[in-house]
Amino acid sequence: KAGVTQTPRYLIKTRGQQVTLSCSPISGHRSVSWYQQTPGQGLQFLFEYFSETQRNKGNFPGRFSGRQFSNSRSEMNVSTLELGDSALYLCASSSGQAPGYTFGSGTRLTVV
Amino acid sequence: QKEVEQNSGPLSVPEGAIASLNCTYSDRGSQSFFWYRQYSGKSPELIMSIYSNGDKEDGRFTAQLNKASQYVSLLIRDSQPSDSATYLCAVMDSNYQLIWGAGTKLIIKP
Repeated sequence: KAGVTQTPRYLIKTRGQQVTLSCSPISGHRSVSWYQQTPGQGLQFLFEYFSETQRNKGNFPGRFSGRQFSNSRSEMNVSTLELGDSALYLCASSSGQAPGYTFGSGTRLTVV
Repeated sequence: QKEVEQNSGPLSVPEGAIASLNCTYSDRGSQSFFWYRQYSGKSPELIMSIYSNGDKEDGRFTAQLNKASQYVSLLIRDSQPSDSATYLCAVMDSNYQLIWGAGTKLIIKP
């Protein structure tokens, strides 16, 4: 059974640009959550999607957005990148029935 | 503001000893509790889940839950150097949102 797949693994962007990250959940998982992880802040919740609907949202500015497609694949977009957006972005999927979340390997974004 | 608190560590434990990791949470309505392990540079992986008061054992790992005192702990018996990692406590609150602790860094000394 394939795990959670995140692409790309690494990204370098310039301040002011925008970026789109992709996440393919485990087959059959309908819930996808996105997290930002930085050394000083730990795991920060961005948003959760379930069946193409945003179910929960964290305290991030509107520059951070996401969506989920009918096949449960999800994308997150960050516009007008800032240096402080440099982080590891993690996607996690859940069936909603089995315990816990399964994380992807993450996308490491560096903004220069 | 719902919170999950963990001691950031590092917690240093000799090889072969018991490592004890603790977590407290603020939402009394929380029902599901998880422990994740994260190696440096890797993504978190689920190692234990617990839903009812008491102990749950899985190999060298034991999760303990006390809802009255609002704490959950993870014991690692016969600690190995490979157990050195950051351990994240996550609590699903009464709104079914997962709240994360900041993690405890565990170092197992050979």
